[in-house]
Amino acid sequence: EPEVTQTPSHQVTQMGQEVILRCVPISNHLYFYWYRQILGQKVEFLVSFYNNEISEKSEIFDDQFSVERPDGSNFTLKIRSTKLEDSAMYFCASSEAGDRIGSPLHFGNGTRLTVT
Amino acid sequence: KQEVTQIPAALSVPEGENLVLNCSFTDSAIYNLQWFRQDPGKGLTSLLLIQSSQREQTSGRLNASLDKSSGRSTLYIAASQPGDSATYLCAVVYFGNEKLTFGTGTRLTIIP
Repeated sequence: EPEVTQTPSHQVTQMGQEVILRCVPISNHLYFYWYRQILGQKVEFLVSFYNNEISEKSEIFDDQFSVERPDGSNFTLKIRSTKLEDSAMYFCASSEAGDRIGSPLHFGNGTRLTVT
Repeated sequence: KQEVTQIPAALSVPEGENLVLNCSFTDSAIYNLQWFRQDPGKGLTSLLLIQSSQREQTSGRLNASLDKSSGRSTLYIAASQPGDSATYLCAVVYFGNEKLTFGTGTRLTIIP
């Protein structure tokens, strides 16, 4: 069964450094998302992306965050200057074209980001 | 505020029993509700998606129901197995946005 893949599985970085989290969504999906889960807390929406532009973003997704689809297969989340509170599990998700609101989201296994 | 709540936070049941997990949401204006399973250190696996016009969905031993008027959904697991042990998350897409709003989950342990 096709799956969403994320790399790396674990990233450790120092405060103030830039990180790029990478995702390969399912190949025929056109809607892409980033969510995060701080340890012990709820999964939170960060951003949705469609047709090469952000379609919705949360308050968490400030100027320090950006997303990009640099080619036909990758979808990346960049954090420009990491803070301690950015430490979390970051999940990429994708869904099929068409009725994105009614399509199940398929999640990757996540990247655990630790900011020291 | 549009929220999703899951109670209890943790549940342990002996193998073979049927069980029900609960989810409640604060606003009945939803597009759909989705149940996920999360294993420790892993991603989320979609189990069932119920559109707002539907009352229930079934997949194997799983049955999810939706009652929009009362703001509730249940996930019924029949004949539980140790492999069902995981955290089960409920998530809702409210009208006006396309994001999933998640509950905090119920950590289920099936005792062999």
